[in-house]
Amino acid sequence: AQSVAQPEDQVNVAEGNPLTVKCTYSVSGNPYLFWYVQYPNRGLQFLLKYITGDNLVKGSYGFEAEFNKSQTSFHLKKPSALVSDSALYFCAVRDRWNYGGSQGNLIFGKGTKLSVKP
Amino acid sequence: GAGVSQSPSNKVTEKGKDVELRCDPISGHTALYWYRQSLGQGLEFLIYFQGNSAPDKSGLPSDRFSAERTGGSVSTLTIQRTQQEDSAVYLCASSSLRSPGEQYFGPGTRLTVT
Repeated sequence: AQSVAQPEDQVNVAEGNPLTVKCTYSVSGNPYLFWYVQYPNRGLQFLLKYITGDNLVKGSYGFEAEFNKSQTSFHLKKPSALVSDSALYFCAVRDRWNYGGSQGNLIFGKGTKLSVKP
Repeated sequence: GAGVSQSPSNKVTEKGKDVELRCDPISGHTALYWYRQSLGQGLEFLIYFQGNSAPDKSGLPSDRFSAERTGGSVSTLTIQRTQQEDSAVYLCASSSLRSPGEQYFGPGTRLTVT
């Protein structure tokens, strides 16, 4: 069964400091991995994805994430946090080989609330 | 083009009533998803439509929940005999075959059952 774990309910960071939001996953095959962000009172927005190739993927707003197969992790990172980055972040996974089949949906983690203080 | 739209944005209903929530996906997106997001919780998958294939209903929490997708476009999520535990934000998303897994979400419908 596919699953995603976001071990931290909340991450607090000072503005200008680097941030990391953790995500680990479990799939039966090779994964597609995603990060989504939900700003207050707004819908979810796609941030970045790993499909294949370079383990370090770059996304919107200066965010990046590193796929680590041995650790089954896909942590979200940003070198210098902004107050405007404060939001709810969701990691998601799907099994690549089930695309188009009965498991076309993504499995989302429970979300991590990121709070960036000035 | 326009993004995913959902209506209504807010719905307050009495326990026991039926409700219908509507989703208009991005034009040309063959896949459509419904999720539920409860306060303080993550996203709970409900149902998935892909083209003309039979939908994946594995996430529907009870037989009070059903969904249709007409003409491969607009979808309606119906909750019959609503209960207070159905109160949540219902999110719809769509995606294209060209970008597998990259889902575009609507703003959601906030359902409150009193």
